[in-house]
Amino acid sequence: EAQVTQNPRYLITVTGKKLTVTCSQNMNHEYMSWYRQDPGLGLRQIYYSMNVEVTDKGDVPEGYKVSRKEKRNFPLILESPSPNQTSLYFCASSQTGEGLFFGSGTQLSVL
Amino acid sequence: GEDVEQSLFLSVREGDSSVINCTYTDSSSTYLYWYKQEPGAGLQLLTYIFSNMDMKQDQRLTVLLNKKDKHLSLRIADTQTGDSAIYFCAESKDDYKLSFGAGTTVTVRA
Repeated sequence: EAQVTQNPRYLITVTGKKLTVTCSQNMNHEYMSWYRQDPGLGLRQIYYSMNVEVTDKGDVPEGYKVSRKEKRNFPLILESPSPNQTSLYFCASSQTGEGLFFGSGTQLSVL
Repeated sequence: GEDVEQSLFLSVREGDSSVINCTYTDSSSTYLYWYKQEPGAGLQLLTYIFSNMDMKQDQRLTVLLNKKDKHLSLRIADTQTGDSAIYFCAESKDDYKLSFGAGTTVTVRA
């Protein structure tokens, strides 16, 4: 089954404790992206990657890092999380003409 | 996002048609999308339309595009309880970087 898998689904952490949210897709898509969803703001893009070893900033990249060492994986790293990064995070992948395929989301709370 | 605007809420009676409206600002948008988000789930692509099209129909869904006014609408015929969800409008120049609206919460009442 074609899917984008994110882990964990829920995460509660404290300010400053580094964390990684994993994302993996099994569709051989070249393009992958991270979004955060906040009430009243819709989805905002954090980072994206057009292919392996190619990453670029989206609209709200501050406080986040990503890497793309393999085509299928695109982890999101928060080196020093802060409460304003409490949000619902989505990973997505795409091949041209098919639209974005989204993961089920990761609800992050930073205390 | 500020480049894509849509109303936040819509309440509709079961069996009626729903119309969700969206406006965007970027005249160079090539792809325009509608996504559906059910509670606790990710976004699911419902349909999309190219900017050189006026209309696209897919079963109960009809998308209308007025490129001059930069207005996009999604009509759901014979709305069912399973259509209750958040609907997101989005636009893109390249089918990769999408800009999303804030989402319209559709509530279907019996």
